[in-house]
This record gives sequence, C-alpha cells and structure tokens, in this order.
Amino acid sequence: AQSVTQPDIHITVSEGASLELRCNYSYGATPYLFWYVQSPGQGLQLLLKYFSGDTLVQGIKGFEAEFKRSQSSFNLRKPSVHWSDAAEYFCAVGALDNDMRFGAGTRLTVKP
Amino acid sequence: EADIYQTPRYLVIGTGKKITLECSQTMGHDKMYWYQQDPGMELHLIHYSYGVNSTEKGDLSSESTVSRIRTEHFPLTLESARPSHTSQYLCASSDPASGGNYGYTFGSGTRLTVV
Repeated sequence: AQSVTQPDIHITVSEGASLELRCNYSYGATPYLFWYVQSPGQGLQLLLKYFSGDTLVQGIKGFEAEFKRSQSSFNLRKPSVHWSDAAEYFCAVGALDNDMRFGAGTRLTVKP
Repeated sequence: EADIYQTPRYLVIGTGKKITLECSQTMGHDKMYWYQQDPGMELHLIHYSYGVNSTEKGDLSSESTVSRIRTEHFPLTLESARPSHTSQYLCASSDPASGGNYGYTFGSGTRLTVV
C-alpha cells in the first residue's frame, strides 16, 4: 500500500537560511508527487507537483523539489526562507484521485 | 481568491445534534473530496465523488454521509454528532482534464467541536 513519511515533525530555521523538508514515499507504480502548504486557519495550497520528466521541479513562492527514485524521496527546498514561509507543509503521493496519500506534515518555524 | 468555499469556518455544537458542513466550488470540477485532519496526523479521506449522483466512502470509517446533486455542491452531514467527531474537515476538488492527477484545490476548512 502507498504511504508517505515526513520524518521531521517540526523544523526551525532562521530567516534567510536555506530549507530542506524531507519526504519519503512508498508506491507500487510511477508516483505523482506533490507538496502542499497550509497556513494557520487555512486549507492546503499546492506548491508544486511532479509527474515525469525533469526530476527537479519548480513551484510557487520560490520552492523547488527533487525527485530521487533510487531513494524514494521528494524533498522540498528553498534557498532563502522568509518569515512568511512559516506554515505546515504536506507531502502527498498518488496517481488516481482517490488514491492520494498525505504525510503527517512538517511544521516550519522561522526565527527572525 | 478561493474557488472552493466551506461554511461554517468554525462550529461548536452539542452531542446528538444533526449538522451539515457545506462545500461549494465554482471551477466546474467533477471530482470532489472530504478529508478529516487532526494535528500531527496525515489527512484521511472520508468521502469522494466523481460527479453528480456519485458518492464513495474513503479509507477512514466515518459516520457521516454526503450527497452530490449538483456539480458545484458537496455537503457532508452528521446525523448525530459525538465528541469523537471533533476535528477539522477539509473539502477539495480536482479536474484532471486529460486523466491523471494534477493536484487538488482545497477549501479553508471547517473546524468542528462537539461538546
């Protein structure tokens, strides 16, 4: 069965520092991979997605993610974090719409 | 600007009451979903719909029901609320025009507290 693991429950970084959020997945076929962001009191917003092709994908708000099939990973990165990036981040994997699995999320705190 | 709307945003209700959480989308998406979200847990799919008159249960056992009479509307109903139903409920939609999965659009959620 497919699953998603986000090993880090909570990460704190200083403003201006780089960020990497980890995501590992288990999926029986070629996965569709996603990262979503959730600000307090809001729903989830799609940051980026990977289906095929270039393994480095660019998203909104300056985020990027790299698909590594050999490691079953899809880590999210940002070169320089802004205070407004503080939020919860969810990795998701799936192919069919009713087959989407979400991780438990990583909460990002940004220090001034 | 939200294209998918959930009401109410917050609801506190007594045990045994019947409640309906509303979800509407203006994008004409065929597929819609209800997820339950609890802190530190993955999102759990409780219901989904492929289109009008289509409803399916998700992987999380739920005492709720849904209906899909119109494309844009996908309400979720709890016939008798219990404290165990306290959670955040997220509605989402998707439109994979050429098949596959291009990601979901989520509403802002309804935070339900049953006392």
